[in-house]
Amino acid sequence: SQKIEQNSEALNIQEGKTATLTCNYTNYSPAYLQWYRQDPGRGPVFLLLIRENEKEKRKERLKVTFDTTLKQSLFHITASQPADSATYLCAHHGSGNTGKLIFGQGTTLQVKP
Amino acid sequence: DAGVIQSPRHEVTEMGQEVTLRCKPISGHNSLFWYRQTMMRGLELLIYFNNNVPIDDSGMPEDRFSAKMPNASFSTLKIQPSEPRDSAVYFCASSYGYNEQFFGPGTRLTVL
Repeated sequence: SQKIEQNSEALNIQEGKTATLTCNYTNYSPAYLQWYRQDPGRGPVFLLLIRENEKEKRKERLKVTFDTTLKQSLFHITASQPADSATYLCAHHGSGNTGKLIFGQGTTLQVKP
Repeated sequence: DAGVIQSPRHEVTEMGQEVTLRCKPISGHNSLFWYRQTMMRGLELLIYFNNNVPIDDSGMPEDRFSAKMPNASFSTLKIQPSEPRDSAVYFCASSYGYNEQFFGPGTRLTVL
């Protein structure tokens, strides 16, 4: 099956540090990956999409990398703030270029002041 | 735009009852997705529609689940009969094509 795996353990960091979250995929090479943020009691919110021919993508304090050799995407938040505390989900579309999104379990980030 | 609208936000019902969840996608979006989220299984796609036509329903757990999209602005997910193991948060999402998806606030379903 086309699995997508994220570190299920919560990530705790100090305010101002860089948070790095990992997303690994197996049995498939997606054309692109998406990252979402989910706050408790709310639906996921789209953050970034990175294509396989893009090694890196940035949006304000966010940076995503895509390493097709390692089958891995890294999600970085620089100068982290307590407001960045949330669960972050990565997802890919699976084979066949369909609309079906396969999500990882998500990694919960806690930024302490 | 108000975003994706789901109703009800919370539903508590008894085992065996019929449950109907409703979704209004963002105007202009042509793809609609129904997801279920639990602590154990995470976020799972149940079914998705493109231009009101069901494309992939392989995630629908069993025949007790059914979904319809009679027009571009409305979809329903029905569970009949409901069981305690159906308790979860159900999300509807919409997109234009196969790009970023916009999620609704979800319906928290509790089946007693």
